[in-house]
Amino acid sequence: AQTVTQSQPEMSVQEAETVTLSCTYDTSESDYYLFWYKQPPSRQMILVIRQEAYKQQNATENRFSVNFQKAAKSFSLKISDSQLGDAAMYFCAYRRLNSGGYQKVTFGTGTKLQVIP
Amino acid sequence: EAGVAQSPRYKIIEKRQSVAFWCNPISGHATLYWYQQILGQGPKLLIQFQNNGVVDDSQLPKDRFSAERLKGVDSTLKIQPAKLEDSAVYLCASSPGQGRYGYTFGSGTRLTVV
Repeated sequence: AQTVTQSQPEMSVQEAETVTLSCTYDTSESDYYLFWYKQPPSRQMILVIRQEAYKQQNATENRFSVNFQKAAKSFSLKISDSQLGDAAMYFCAYRRLNSGGYQKVTFGTGTKLQVIP
Repeated sequence: EAGVAQSPRYKIIEKRQSVAFWCNPISGHATLYWYQQILGQGPKLLIQFQNNGVVDDSQLPKDRFSAERLKGVDSTLKIQPAKLEDSAVYLCASSPGQGRYGYTFGSGTRLTVV
């Protein structure tokens, strides 16, 4: 079974600084998808960024980028120019590539990010 | 486009009572998911529908939990009877296909069982 590990329960960053959230996963598959979701106090999970394992290029979405190390099974999220609105729980998630069936998404336990003004 | 709607937003019940949650996915999204998120944990999939058929309910405690998706649109999740350990946030999500591009989540229902 696939597992997703987020070893940092809490992180803090100064406003306008850069922070990196860590995620590792365990899988025997070669093709899969990885996601980072943000969950603010409103509880709604919001997709931040997505990475396809067969793509070597790291995904980027504005101030959010990932460092995808396939061999190390590592998928970290970098937030640049941190803003107060970035304060939230961040969940790393894994999904197998379609293989004719329906694949569920496995989530990590989350990292709570605090942004200090 | 309108988001995923869920109700109620909060619910407090006594143990052994029953409760139901409602979800209306994004129009046209074929796949609907119910997740349970216990405090301090990541969401755990309870059940996944493709249109109005169940494709994964392997982690649904079927002795007390049930779910249906009428006409492949709205869905309800029911717990009967509730236990203290059912206290959690219940999240509904939907996707147009099988979720390769991620899901759209609702704001969840926070259930407290006392």
